[in-house]
Amino acid sequence: DGGITQSPKYLFRKEGQNVTLSCEQNLNHDAMYWYRQDPGQGLRLIYYSQIVNDFQKGDIAEGYSVSREKKESFPLTVTSAQKNPTAFYLCASSFTPPGFHGYTFGSGTRLTVV
Amino acid sequence: AQRVTQPEKLLSVFKGAPVELKCNYSYSGSPELFWYVQYSRQRLQLLLRHISRESIKGFTADLNKGETSFHLKKPFAQEEDSAMYYCALSPGGGADGLTFGKGTHLIIQP
Repeated sequence: DGGITQSPKYLFRKEGQNVTLSCEQNLNHDAMYWYRQDPGQGLRLIYYSQIVNDFQKGDIAEGYSVSREKKESFPLTVTSAQKNPTAFYLCASSFTPPGFHGYTFGSGTRLTVV
Repeated sequence: AQRVTQPEKLLSVFKGAPVELKCNYSYSGSPELFWYVQYSRQRLQLLLRHISRESIKGFTADLNKGETSFHLKKPFAQEEDSAMYYCALSPGGGADGLTFGKGTHLIIQP
């Protein structure tokens, strides 16, 4: 199975705590992306990175932070400032530009705030 | 800002019937349009891109700039087409992120 791995699959967090979601790819993709998926809302872009040590805010970046220290890794931190963190989070990667194969998606992490 | 609208949350058709999943977009420039699909218990994956102008699994989609639409069509639905379908837009090839619609759940009845 492969290419892009998200962990953990399920994550529970207490209110007021920061939590970090992992995303790792071994596809030699340049670009990586984080999306949030809520029921009936489709996917909304949180952050993306086209190259190591650089990243850009997406449509809903508030309350989130990312880093891109290695080409293979793009962790997402959900901070206590995120008002509604309970959601399904999807990571994706692609070449730049994505080309024929488009994005490769991970299997997702479901975050629940308790 | 760009927007993608998929007006149908759920579409149910019988096997062998034609299928059309609607997608409309708003963007002032010339975007690239995509269809992504998620089958049950599988990851989201690319189905087709408008610039490829190809048919994948019997599906086609034509970009209509006048109507700002990118509807997905298949002449004869098969049960294995049942899935969640997302239309997506990129202003510049996709490397700066895609804007997705809310998705249409397609159910093919036997």
